[in-house]
Amino acid sequence: RKEVEQDPGPFNVPEGATVAFNCTYSNSASQSFFWYRQDCRKEPKLLMSVYSSGNEDGRFTAQLNRASQYISLLIRDSKLSDSATYLCVVPHTGFQKLVFGTGTRLLVSP
Amino acid sequence: NAGVTQTPKFQVLKTGQSMTLQCAQDMNHNSMYWYRQDPGMGLRLIYYSASEGTTDKGEVPNGYNVSRLNKREFSLRLESAAPSQTSVYFCASSEMGASGNQETQYFGPGTRLLVL
Repeated sequence: RKEVEQDPGPFNVPEGATVAFNCTYSNSASQSFFWYRQDCRKEPKLLMSVYSSGNEDGRFTAQLNRASQYISLLIRDSKLSDSATYLCVVPHTGFQKLVFGTGTRLLVSP
Repeated sequence: NAGVTQTPKFQVLKTGQSMTLQCAQDMNHNSMYWYRQDPGMGLRLIYYSASEGTTDKGEVPNGYNVSRLNKREFSLRLESAAPSQTSVYFCASSEMGASGNQETQYFGPGTRLLVL
């Protein structure tokens, strides 16, 4: 099993839609998790950190299910500007390194 | 604060040529990282430096060397470039949290390298 797995998409949604991505991880000892956003030809930037059961920031909600070892990202009321690739990130065993998923691409259309 | 800076932004090399990618951070972070990103492969760790004076191999270190010059700077060297090293290279820095959890990594803008 890969350390981090994501559905590559793309997810095509209209403006205003709600969309959710899932990410599964294999390191059961991980305590912190991250969602990064990467725009085309740009560097990844932190979107949200998840340290306990979940986190919410405006239209974005991240949830953690430790028993099933998956993290989800929910985006409500999608905007055109949400179009990007979303990377699920989990600490590697030993915690000094992060393991990045291959990303889920989101396309929001008018 | 500039955050994480990388030079150059673009580079074209011929097979066998050498070059050094430079990275600097002004956030006083202890840890620094070099990644490469290829289509469909995601970000893969090449080397990292947990603190000044230490470096360790990541997932794909072959063909690369690194130097942690001081706390601010972490360079990546390709001694003899190969077409398989055509990629986008990102440098990042971070700090470990007090609880031992990995904190946010901040990325530079990337270097696009083409090896012919």
